[in-house]
Amino acid sequence: DAGVIQSPRHEVTEMGQEVTLRCKPISGHNSLFWYRQTMMRGLELLIYFNNNVPIDDSGMPEDRFSAKMPNASFSTLKIQPSEPRDSAVYFCASRETRAFFGQGTRLTVV
Amino acid sequence: KQEVTQIPAALSVPEGENLVLNCSFTDSAIYNLQWFRQDPGKGLTSLLLIQSSQREQTSGRLNASLDKSSGRSTLYIAASQPGDSATYLCAVTDTDKLIFGTGTRLQVFP
Repeated sequence: DAGVIQSPRHEVTEMGQEVTLRCKPISGHNSLFWYRQTMMRGLELLIYFNNNVPIDDSGMPEDRFSAKMPNASFSTLKIQPSEPRDSAVYFCASRETRAFFGQGTRLTVV
Repeated sequence: KQEVTQIPAALSVPEGENLVLNCSFTDSAIYNLQWFRQDPGKGLTSLLLIQSSQREQTSGRLNASLDKSSGRSTLYIAASQPGDSATYLCAVTDTDKLIFGTGTRLQVFP
């Protein structure tokens, strides 16, 4: 297995634009997590899914953020409209027992 | 609410030293604890997973212990090398969530 795959690796966008981050989890893993990492706040859990169902989205900072998992092999995190304070590295992780992380998407909103 | 703390926040040691990194959590009702390594600009790499019923796990020069009753885990690195330089994070699985500590930034100099 290629591991957790995230795209794009880097994204630079202007304030107000829509941003979509993508994640392909490891096949057979039943949990998927979206995290945001910044120097100030460390790793923050945004939302997680079990068997494609959102379980806890209490970490999603605002209504501008939304996440979907239409099937077991794909998830998206969308920010609309984006703001400069959303600039961070966004990680996706999947897990059966042990969690594995993707390489992250570095988002810069200017 | 589960809180995970890591001490020290940063550590700089000469090559060859044996190291202990600490992780504390406030709620002992965890399913497992995982140690990760993160290199600058990279994703998280899983090092060790300790199930709640286990006391320790070993992988090469790494040994992780878990004391649920006291809410503590330690990561022991034997004979440290410059290639061990990275940020080390612990994470507990609490219900289904994976909750991270703040990390210990380790630098091993030749």
